[in-house]
Amino acid sequence: EPEVTQTPSHQVTQMGQEVILRCVPISNHLYFYWYRQILGQKVEFLVSFYNNEISEKSEIFDDQFSVERPDGSNFTLKIRSTKLEDSAMYFCASSENPLVNEQFFGPGTRLTVL
Amino acid sequence: AQSVTQLGSHVSVSEGALVLLRCNYSSSVPPYLFWYVQYPNQGLQLLLKYTTGATLVKGINGFEAEFKKSETSFHLTKPSAHMSDAAEYFCAVSSGGNKLTFGTGTQLKVEL
Repeated sequence: EPEVTQTPSHQVTQMGQEVILRCVPISNHLYFYWYRQILGQKVEFLVSFYNNEISEKSEIFDDQFSVERPDGSNFTLKIRSTKLEDSAMYFCASSENPLVNEQFFGPGTRLTVL
Repeated sequence: AQSVTQLGSHVSVSEGALVLLRCNYSSSVPPYLFWYVQYPNQGLQLLLKYTTGATLVKGINGFEAEFKKSETSFHLTKPSAHMSDAAEYFCAVSSGGNKLTFGTGTQLKVEL
């Protein structure tokens, strides 16, 4: 069964460093998302991406964040200068058509900012 | 704007007992509703969804949920709990498009 994959599973970085989280969505999906879950809190929407552009973003997704689909398979989330409060589990999701299909989630990347 | 409220951050049931996890939503447009399950150290797996049509939806692992518009609810049930059902359950709403808005989750514990 096709699945969303994410790398790395765990990333440790120093405050102020840049990180790139990688995702490979399901191959025929056209809609891509990033969510995050701070430890003990609910899953929060960050950004959605369709047709090579951001379609919606939350207040969390400020200028420190960016997304990119550099090729036909990868979807990345970049945090330019990490803060302690960026420590969280980051989930990538993809959907064939959100009007009729659910979003499929990857296993997540745990980001720890020291 | 949309939001989800899950009553009870922790629910404990005996194996074989009924599971009932509560979810109420708020949405300015007809909602799409979802239940996801998260096992420890894993991602979110879809249990079931409601978009249109039949208000009682059946999902995987014997779970089902009923959309009640008058009560703005989408409670998750399973007639008989199994030890393997122990996990965290998230209700989510989407306004027929893009982002999912999640509830705070309910940790289900199943005891012998």
